[in-house]
Amino acid sequence: DGGITQSPKYLFRKEGQNVTLSCEQNLNHDAMYWYRQDPGQGLRLIYYSQIVNDFQKGDIAEGYSVSREKKESFPLTVTSAQKNPTAFYLCASSSDRGPWRPQHFGDGTRLSIL
Amino acid sequence: KNEVEQSPQNLTAQEGEFITINCSYSVGISALHWLQQHPGGGIVSLFMLSSGKKKHGRLIATINIQEKHSSLHITASHPRDSAVYICAARLLQGAQKLVFGQGTRLTINP
Repeated sequence: DGGITQSPKYLFRKEGQNVTLSCEQNLNHDAMYWYRQDPGQGLRLIYYSQIVNDFQKGDIAEGYSVSREKKESFPLTVTSAQKNPTAFYLCASSSDRGPWRPQHFGDGTRLSIL
Repeated sequence: KNEVEQSPQNLTAQEGEFITINCSYSVGISALHWLQQHPGGGIVSLFMLSSGKKKHGRLIATINIQEKHSSLHITASHPRDSAVYICAARLLQGAQKLVFGQGTRLTINP
């Protein structure tokens, strides 16, 4: 079955470390997105990519970086510059090339600081 | 004030009850999404609508563009409907950004 796979499901980071969250899709979607979810708040867009080798900042890109070298993969790196990285991270993809139109979501990665 | 507001934030009901979750928005939109987030965190898209009403099984979504309001209804609720329900508005302006409500946590007791 087609879908989005995020790994790992739980991730722990020491302060000062960079960590990379994986997102892979086999839906042949052009557009992919990374969201952050905090308790009591709506999802907020970190980065999105409409096509391979191109990506754009979302509302809260500071302290994060991404790459889109392959259509099916859109990894997110949480850098040491992100001061409050503890959150639930969701990856999404869309068949629309238009921005901001996620339709399929992964199961998420929960990141915690040790 | 958030551009998309949901109410209630938490809702507990007994199995079989009719459930209504509300979503109000303060900006012009081209469409509104209803999403379901399971306890494990994964999200499933339930509806995308720009006018009127859509129905899928026991779920019904309505939208009133003039009043800037949408509702999600669940008939004959069941414990397996327990989840967080999220509305998201696709803005008309700019890059047609999706703005998410904070979610409604629904618990259906047997």
